[in-house]
Amino acid sequence: AQKVTQAQTEISVVEKEDVTLDCVYETRDTTYYLFWYKQPPSGELVFLIRRNSFDEQNEISGRYSWNFQKSTSSFNFTITASQVVDSAVYFCALSGDAGGTSYGKLTFGQGTILTVHP
Amino acid sequence: ETGVTQSPTHLIKTRGQQVTLRCSSQSGHNTVSWYQQALGQGPQFIFQYYREEENGRGNFPPRFSGLQFPNYSSELNVNALELDDSALYLCASSQGTSVETQYFGPGTRLLVL
Repeated sequence: AQKVTQAQTEISVVEKEDVTLDCVYETRDTTYYLFWYKQPPSGELVFLIRRNSFDEQNEISGRYSWNFQKSTSSFNFTITASQVVDSAVYFCALSGDAGGTSYGKLTFGQGTILTVHP
Repeated sequence: ETGVTQSPTHLIKTRGQQVTLRCSSQSGHNTVSWYQQALGQGPQFIFQYYREEENGRGNFPPRFSGLQFPNYSSELNVNALELDDSALYLCASSQGTSVETQYFGPGTRLLVL
């Protein structure tokens, strides 16, 4: 069975601080896909990034960066110079490839509540 | 491009009643997935529909059922509501049954009293 663990329940930072959200996953699939979603108070899940298991390149998008390490089954998310608008719940999610039991289905972690204070 | 829409936004029901939630997929998407998100938890997969047929189901009882229509919109039906069914119900659409990215709607908040 697949599992996603986000050990940090809540993180509180002051604006302009850097913050890293941790994500550790478990899967038996050889090919899988990792995602990060942001959930603001409105409730809608906003897609941030998707990473394939065979692509371990890190990615940077503006103030956001992602560090995928297959050896430690981790897919961590860093926000540089955080802003108040970054305050939200962040979810890491995992999906399997064709033929696997979790094909097309997202398994989510418990989420990390990020609060950025002015 | 129109995003995923859901209706209603909020709903209050009493135990034992039945409820129908609706979802319109994003333009160009033919797959709809439903998730239940209890307060303080991550979303849990209920089921997925592709071309009007169920294409995978999570660990939910048969009183959770769904439909997908020819225009790819979808309904989630829950019979015999229980207090624990109170949650945010999220619909996501994607292109095909592959692991393409799922895009979520704003959700329906259901409260069962």
